[in-house]
Amino acid sequence: GAVVSQHPSWVICKSGTSVKIECRSLDFQATTMFWYRQFPKQSLMLMATSNEGSKATYEQGVEKDKFLINHASLTLSTLTVTSAHPEDSSFYICSALWTVMNTEAFFGQGTRLTVV
Amino acid sequence: GENVEQHPSTLSVQEGDSAVIKCTYSDSASNYFPWYKQELGKRPQLIIDIRSNVGEKKDQRIAVTLNKTAKHFSLHITETQPEDSAVYFCAASWDGTASKLTFGTGTRLQVTL
Repeated sequence: GAVVSQHPSWVICKSGTSVKIECRSLDFQATTMFWYRQFPKQSLMLMATSNEGSKATYEQGVEKDKFLINHASLTLSTLTVTSAHPEDSSFYICSALWTVMNTEAFFGQGTRLTVV
Repeated sequence: GENVEQHPSTLSVQEGDSAVIKCTYSDSASNYFPWYKQELGKRPQLIIDIRSNVGEKKDQRIAVTLNKTAKHFSLHITETQPEDSAVYFCAASWDGTASKLTFGTGTRLQVTL
């Protein structure tokens, strides 16, 4: 199957700082990527849809000025958590849509963000 | 929007027994239903999926059934093994692909020896 790599795997940052998370499709081009948030022992909640070359589409209740998404190439989408606060601590996970066969979504390994 | 409910939240079975996890969805327009397995600290991985034009799909020990009228779908794992222990998520989307998935709340399956 296709490989999606997310970096970093974990990050600790101070309150008020910004953190950038990268999501890369290693062996395929992904015009569409998705960013999810997962709280401990809970489900994945879709935050936004990242489209290459255009603005991201955010789900209701997700602050687009706080969670900046950039999809500048067909293999890279970035999520920047701006002015992070402890309540932003969570597991962030991306997926990339592989449209070669059956349109399957492949997930990155996730990034655990801890804001102190 | 879509709402997906999943039951049970935890499930413990003995090795060799079968496990069944059930999900219901609210949006009748949903037409793609994947199941993901997530081991602790790892990424979700697709184990099986079904589209609305099919009632049942099987892949070795794993099967999924879909009842469009009742708007529910189920995951069946037969002859469970310890390595089946993980969290399983059902999901639904309306465009026939894995775009903009709405996930269920997850089921923690524990297969005991």
